[in-house]
Amino acid sequence: ELKVEQNPLFLSMQEGKNYTIYCNYSTTSDRLYWYRQDPGKSLESLFVLLSNGAVKQEGRLMASLDTKARLSTLHITAAVHDLSATYFCAVGPLDSNYQLIWGAGTKLIIKP
Amino acid sequence: GAGVSQSPSNKVTEKGKDVELRCDPISGHTALYWYRQSLGQGLEFLIYFQGNSAPDKSGLPSDRFSAERTGGSVSTLTIQRTQQEDSAVYLCASSWTSGSFEQYFGPGTRLTVT
Repeated sequence: ELKVEQNPLFLSMQEGKNYTIYCNYSTTSDRLYWYRQDPGKSLESLFVLLSNGAVKQEGRLMASLDTKARLSTLHITAAVHDLSATYFCAVGPLDSNYQLIWGAGTKLIIKP
Repeated sequence: GAGVSQSPSNKVTEKGKDVELRCDPISGHTALYWYRQSLGQGLEFLIYFQGNSAPDKSGLPSDRFSAERTGGSVSTLTIQRTQQEDSAVYLCASSWTSGSFEQYFGPGTRLTVT
């Protein structure tokens, strides 16, 4: 059974700093997603990672995937307050082409 | 174009009552998903529809929960005899099809059972 673990679950940081959120999963997968959720809002897709070594960047966010290590990282560069949100990773099990197993989310607070 | 819409946005109901939650997916999306998100938690899969295929209901937590999708578009999630533990945000998502396509989420329905 596929399990997804994110860490940290809570992160408070200062503007201008760099940090990384980790998403570990327990069994082989062929797709991984990162989503953002603002308080009281729905989920917004950030990145879709489909192959080993995939790296995608959007502004101050960069996501990567290491399928051998079963690890994805979401790196934040020079954080700004607008990036405060909860970030979720979701992993697709090989035995289903539609189910996603979700991490618990990382609540990120960026202080000015 | 229009995104996924859900109604109502908030629903407060008394324990034991039935509720219906509605989802309008993005036009042309054949796959539709329902999830439940409890406070501070990740998403719990409930049910999946793909075109005219039989839905995957494996995530429904009890037989009080049911869902249908009419004409391959609008979906309704029904909870009968609501319990306090049903209180959560119910999210609907749609995608072009299954596989690697990302899911687009609606704003959710916050259900509170008193």
